[in-house]
Amino acid sequence: DAMVIQNPRYQVTQFGKPVTLSCSQTLNHNVMYWYQQKSSQAPKLLFHYYDKDFNNEADTPDNFQSRRPNTSFCFLDIRSPGLGDAAMYLCATSRDRQIYEQYFGPGTRLTVT
Amino acid sequence: QKEVEQDPGPLSVPEGAIVSLNCTYSNSAFQYFMWYRQYSRKGPELLMYTYSSGNKEDGRFTAQVDKSSKYISLFIRDSQPSDSATYLCAIDSNTGNQFYFGTGTSLTVIP
Repeated sequence: DAMVIQNPRYQVTQFGKPVTLSCSQTLNHNVMYWYQQKSSQAPKLLFHYYDKDFNNEADTPDNFQSRRPNTSFCFLDIRSPGLGDAAMYLCATSRDRQIYEQYFGPGTRLTVT
Repeated sequence: QKEVEQDPGPLSVPEGAIVSLNCTYSNSAFQYFMWYRQYSRKGPELLMYTYSSGNKEDGRFTAQVDKSSKYISLFIRDSQPSDSATYLCAIDSNTGNQFYFGTGTSLTVIP
């Protein structure tokens, strides 16, 4: 089945220790998104790639970076995680910029100790 | 003012009840209106989307948009315990850079 896969599902890291979350998709969609979702809050868009074109949201901290080496994979790098970065990180894809048809992965829950 | 407001609930109903979930939004430029369902510890799943005002039905689910009031609703008929989840509304201006989620309404359907 075509899908969006995120690894790992649960990640524990130490304060200040870099961490990388990964996302892969078999949908062959052009656009990939990273969201941060904290408990009882709406998902917050961090950035997205339209093909290789990177689009950063204005209020995304510099601590968050992303890489998309090919169509199928996208990575979220948190350079120096703080306690406030503990959250669920959601990857999503859409065929094009019609983002009303986003397909989400199961998410990676990040804990910062 | 937030772009989209949603009552967080929680909402608890008996099995078989009709559920009404609602959101309001602030900017008339928004054109697409979506409802996502999110089970605990899972990613959101698109249920329905509508364009402009009117109703859209899919099985037990009906999405309704009233652009004059900037009000969107999701109705669930004959609710089932498997409908227990958080429901997120989302709005999109179709410009590629204005897309917002509501905070979600937690729904529990009691058998």
